[in-house]
Amino acid sequence: EIVLTQSPGTLSLSPGERATLSCRASQSISSSYLTWYQHKPGQAPMILIYGASIRATGIPDRFSGSGSGTDFTLTISRLEPEDFAVYYCQHYGTSPSITFGQGTRLEIK
Amino acid sequence: QVQLQESGPGLAKPSETLSLNCAVSGYSITSGYYWGWIRQPPGKGLEWIGSSYHSGTTYYSPSLKSRVTISVDTSRNQFSLRLSSVTAADTAVYYCARHSYPSLGGSGDFDCWGQGILVTVSS
Repeated sequence: EIVLTQSPGTLSLSPGERATLSCRASQSISSSYLTWYQHKPGQAPMILIYGASIRATGIPDRFSGSGSGTDFTLTISRLEPEDFAVYYCQHYGTSPSITFGQGTRLEIK
Repeated sequence: QVQLQESGPGLAKPSETLSLNCAVSGYSITSGYYWGWIRQPPGKGLEWIGSSYHSGTTYYSPSLKSRVTISVDTSRNQFSLRLSSVTAADTAVYYCARHSYPSLGGSGDFDCWGQGILVTVSS
């Protein structure tokens, strides 16, 4: 089973700053099946990025995804107040095996 | 606009079976997606439980496979989760979601989620 490790566990930044979140896979995975979600307390998780770099419908262009192999990154270019949340990466693998990272909490500094 | 809404008891007793439903509106449950369940124990991350297609093809997490049943009711445009022999470790917020499966041209992601329902396992 693929293990996804996200870092950092918590990221403290101010609005307007740039956020860089990491998702590392325990072995090389297809970027086609790497997804990022945003999750706010009491709300449904929301898809941000699929296929490692494709923004989902309606997602602002300040969100971008990149990476390949074992290392993937979610970047938020300029943080807005509504961006402070928990972010998860997720992988779809064969069998199927569907795994999530443990999450990165993005908090206001 | 696709909407999913979980429903069911918020409390289950140890050793009993947890049963939840997910009503889908704004989209036909027979149209090209799998339908899945994900849970989040308090203070922990997300865990995939399983996903089902309207044809009956279903996939489960290996760690839960022996206790889980997911089924799709096309007549009611809803799908359900049954988890047997529950323990306190099954206490979690349970989410239903639309699952974009690679075999159907998707990327394996969950592109639309319900709000979630907290289920507590306690006597």
